[in-house]
Amino acid sequence: SQQGEEDPQALSIQEGENATMNCSYKTSINNLQWYRQNSGRGLVHLILIRSNEREKHSGRLRVTLDTSKKSSSLLITASRAADTASYFCATDGGGSNYKLTFGKGTLLTVNP
Amino acid sequence: GAVVSQHPSRVICKSGTSVKIECRSLDFQATTMFWYRQFPKQSLMLMATSNEGSKATYEQGVEKDKFLINHASLTLSTLTVTSAHPEDSSFYICSARGATNQPQHFGDGTRLSIL
Repeated sequence: SQQGEEDPQALSIQEGENATMNCSYKTSINNLQWYRQNSGRGLVHLILIRSNEREKHSGRLRVTLDTSKKSSSLLITASRAADTASYFCATDGGGSNYKLTFGKGTLLTVNP
Repeated sequence: GAVVSQHPSRVICKSGTSVKIECRSLDFQATTMFWYRQFPKQSLMLMATSNEGSKATYEQGVEKDKFLINHASLTLSTLTVTSAHPEDSSFYICSARGATNQPQHFGDGTRLSIL
């Protein structure tokens, strides 16, 4: 079963606007990561937030984590057409292999 | 840094053929590599986890005799789809990780089409 569930499933915005995507999960986590996938390509790692962190920034990206609500959000500010992609959250519960469980993803379309 | 190369990017072959996909970590040593399968407009499904020098651990429902995984070195893992059939057509993606608790870095995927 999917650990992470992103919403919305699809989001369409205009260039320059901010985009917010949410992710919820069900069990305890060690880390939560966000990835981007362009159509037909592999995944690009965006940001990792640990379970004891609440917020993290990287360039135009801001990720928050609320472990009490088992949820995370990814904010992309001042979006660009090149940000058009699917965005996935992935959680791991620690352990020897730190296996990732992916959500279903949010398809973000940024219109020029 | 942290580049993972996956080859080939696309394969089209006849039913019954065996297909090998390579996954290489180019600038780091990958103690663990992961193989995923992704259906159109869906999420990634973990197929197996491989640690260098040991047998792969397969997820429930994944046939180990169908999907052979070899992780012979710290920079190379291979997935062989044996006697492929049309239902094996999919997008296969590998990832690699150095130390534990570090991000997984992904290859660009292999589009496998079985006719």
